[in-house]
Amino acid sequence: DTEVTQTPKHLVMGMTNKKSLKCEQHMGHRAMYWYKQKAKKPPELMFVYSYEKLSINESVPSRFSPECPNSSLLNLHLHALQPEDSALYLCASSQEAQGYPEAFFGQGTRLTVV
Amino acid sequence: GDSVTQMEGPVTLSEEAFLTINCTYTATGYPSLFWYVQYPGEGLQLLLKATKADDKGSNKGFEATYRKETTSFHLEKGSVQVSDSAVYFCALKRNYGGSQGNLIFGKGTKLSVKP
Repeated sequence: DTEVTQTPKHLVMGMTNKKSLKCEQHMGHRAMYWYKQKAKKPPELMFVYSYEKLSINESVPSRFSPECPNSSLLNLHLHALQPEDSALYLCASSQEAQGYPEAFFGQGTRLTVV
Repeated sequence: GDSVTQMEGPVTLSEEAFLTINCTYTATGYPSLFWYVQYPGEGLQLLLKATKADDKGSNKGFEATYRKETTSFHLEKGSVQVSDSAVYFCALKRNYGGSQGNLIFGKGTKLSVKP
């Protein structure tokens, strides 16, 4: 099983709303990531959690707030977003063991900010 | 810094044609290399990987060989199908330096296969 599950698949929110994106994996992976992907572009790394601790924050605006409640779950809390934040948000996880560097991605949440 | 360069697309082929998508990289040390595929409206799927020089990754008829001397990881398939139409991303990841999650992506190559 190499499945990373993201909910919701689609989200439309106003600029004053607060919403959360959720991500779940049951592969025992110890690293989890959030990426942002704009149309016709490669994914851009936002955050990395390693062993449930935030290890990388790629200078993401504070209106995006990650949370890792346990080793299987990753959330991205959204508040006061801008229309330019509309994108596909991808969650990924990896084992981070020797010989197993690959990351597995979820299907993404298509976010539209109106 | 580390970087990945892919051939510009879009690439349009007829069914059963031979596919090559070029990928070269710049990195310190010995990174792991990957090809990911993204179908319309979906996330990224790992297509294949190679973790050391001369490794050949293969999956679903696709192949790529880790060439350290030319710093390349070209994707090939002998006979493409309409269902292979997608965007293909070449990526690298350092194998040291505590850089979990540091996947460096190329810009992506859109492949369209016509019947």
